[in-house]
Amino acid sequence: QKEVEQNSGPLSVPEGAIASLNCTYSDRGSQSFFWYRQYSGKSPELIMSIYSNGDKEDGRFTAQLNKASQYVSLLIRDSQPSDSATYLCAVTGAQKLVFGQGTRLTINP
Amino acid sequence: EAGVAQSPRYKIIEKRQSVAFWCNPISGHATLYWYQQILGQGPKLLIQFQNNGVVDDSQLPKDRFSAERLKGVDSTLKIQPAKLEDSAVYLCASAWFGPSTDTQYFGPGTRLTVL
Repeated sequence: QKEVEQNSGPLSVPEGAIASLNCTYSDRGSQSFFWYRQYSGKSPELIMSIYSNGDKEDGRFTAQLNKASQYVSLLIRDSQPSDSATYLCAVTGAQKLVFGQGTRLTINP
Repeated sequence: EAGVAQSPRYKIIEKRQSVAFWCNPISGHATLYWYQQILGQGPKLLIQFQNNGVVDDSQLPKDRFSAERLKGVDSTLKIQPAKLEDSAVYLCASAWFGPSTDTQYFGPGTRLTVL
């Protein structure tokens, strides 16, 4: 079982719709959870971090964490073509960051 | 605030040659990481430094890869000899761990092609 699992996609969403990205993790001791965005040929860029159960909103982005289900999600509202990228879920325990394989998201105009 | 710096940005070598990458972390960040990202995959941790000591190198292929962080600031990652499967982007990241932050910041990466 992979430590952090994501659907590799591609996920195709029409412009203006809500994009929903999901991630599960295996280590129950994980403490910090991150979503990174990676444009093609670029390095990962942090867009959201979440540390406790529930929702965390930042602009058009909402991260959701459910530790009991070992599940993290990212919602992108009012999706824009510029949101087209690979989204990486990353989970930390003991200062070690483990990444999922990423979900490729395409926003169609 | 300056970000994480890496060089070179691109490198093409033939198999069995050696190559070295350099990383300068964000000022004040004690923790430095080297990741390998193969096309279509997420980054994989190769080695983690805390100041100039190694915290985790369990996934570093030690027969061919080596890394050092002298004086607890800059770091170099070396591959000798390179194999075809080493073609990847090598990412350096740094972090400062405090009461409310453990975010890693990534450099632009070095894209290595082994022919």
